[in-house]
Amino acid sequence: EVQVVESGGGLVQPGRSLRLSCAASGFTFDDYAMHWVRQAPGKGLEWVSGISWNSGSIGYADSVKGRFTISRDNAKNSLYLQMNSLRAEDTALYYCTKDLYTSPSVGFDYWGQGTLVTVSS
Amino acid sequence: QSVLTQPPSASGTPGQRVTISCSGSSSNIGSNYVYWYQQLPGTAPKLLIYKNNQRPSGVPDRFSGSKSGTSASLAISGLRSEDEADYYCAAWDDSLSGPVFGGGTKLTVL
Repeated sequence: EVQVVESGGGLVQPGRSLRLSCAASGFTFDDYAMHWVRQAPGKGLEWVSGISWNSGSIGYADSVKGRFTISRDNAKNSLYLQMNSLRAEDTALYYCTKDLYTSPSVGFDYWGQGTLVTVSS
Repeated sequence: QSVLTQPPSASGTPGQRVTISCSGSSSNIGSNYVYWYQQLPGTAPKLLIYKNNQRPSGVPDRFSGSKSGTSASLAISGLRSEDEADYYCAAWDDSLSGPVFGGGTKLTVL
């Protein structure tokens, strides 16, 4: 059974950092691209960042470019999101998602339950 | 303001057919595939349609997708109470070099 499980969320002050992790199982992790998608409370979905199977292709939403860094460790079947200089508008439920393909696409076929990040003083 | 435009709400009665529209531009829907996601209350989104009109295994054939030019539609036939959810369209945007979502449509089954 395919599973992706996020961790690392919490309450953080504006300007501080947080690192999210995603543990994947039930599929060949290094065969697929992975993404982070977020959803602010009561709002819609927003793609945050994506990474290809071999980390050779990486993309970010304009809203997080220069502040967030995505990475993966295929040996550990894990995906990460390093979030620096956090802002109140980064408050959201962050989902780890598996892509249908090796390179980033829009086909997110498995989603975790999300980890909540709250940025507030 | 979302890059893709969806109506905020839609409704129908059980057994009815409803459609949800999604409007974009030449840099996204006009030149790339459209995907649809269903988000039931309190749960993570689920992939409903990929590559304009393909259904992942397990998705009932009551759900269908289509695309024409810079617009796309999701149709749900034989509407059921369990279809009450938020629906999102998405596409790759060549100008932004990444996926973009619609603002979501809340479907109510009356």
